[in-house]
Amino acid sequence: QVQLVESGGGVVQPGRSLRLSCAVSGLSFGDYLMYWVRQAPGKGLEWVAHIAHHGGNEYYTDSVKGRFTISRDNSKNTLYLQMNSLRAEDTAMYFCARDLYHSGVDFLDYWGQGSLVTVSS
Amino acid sequence: DIQMTQSPSSLSASVGDRVTITCRASQSISRSLNWYQQKQGKAPNLLIYGTSTLQSGVPSRFSGSGSGTDFTLTISSLQLEDFATYYCQQGYNHPVTFGQGTRLEIK
Repeated sequence: QVQLVESGGGVVQPGRSLRLSCAVSGLSFGDYLMYWVRQAPGKGLEWVAHIAHHGGNEYYTDSVKGRFTISRDNSKNTLYLQMNSLRAEDTAMYFCARDLYHSGVDFLDYWGQGSLVTVSS
Repeated sequence: DIQMTQSPSSLSASVGDRVTITCRASQSISRSLNWYQQKQGKAPNLLIYGTSTLQSGVPSRFSGSGSGTDFTLTISSLQLEDFATYYCQQGYNHPVTFGQGTRLEIK
């Protein structure tokens, strides 16, 4: 069965760095665009970044541009999110998700369980 | 980016009720609208894609309609397990963007 398993979250001080990983199994990882979506405590879902299947095209929400880097290693079936210069407002549950384009629409049909990032002094 | 607006932000209903949640896009997105259900502490779960196609395993009491900028999610007869938060999401272009969510609570 398909599994997306995030790791790497934790408590970190403002200004420090953290790297999230999302290990994918049960699907042909290299064929799909992948997303990171976050959810601050008690808030809604927010797109953070996404990356093309080959890894050559990366996109970021404005609030993380220049601080976060999305990447992937298709040989390891793993998606990454390098988070630098973390701020309190980056505190959230971070989900990775597979984007599927089907019948003319993009949707996120497989999600990881989430990795909690807490930025606090 | 396309902005998505849901209403209401919260809703109280009883088991057996019919409920409707609406979602509006800031521009036309044809029928590229998806709905997710999220329960406390869990990842979102895809319910409906392409406005009205139920994801595998989703009960038929869920339905979706609309086109262009205005969409609805309807639950025909609420069950206990349906009390959750619902999000719409446009899949017309990247980045996919979400509505702010509708929290469905037990009355």
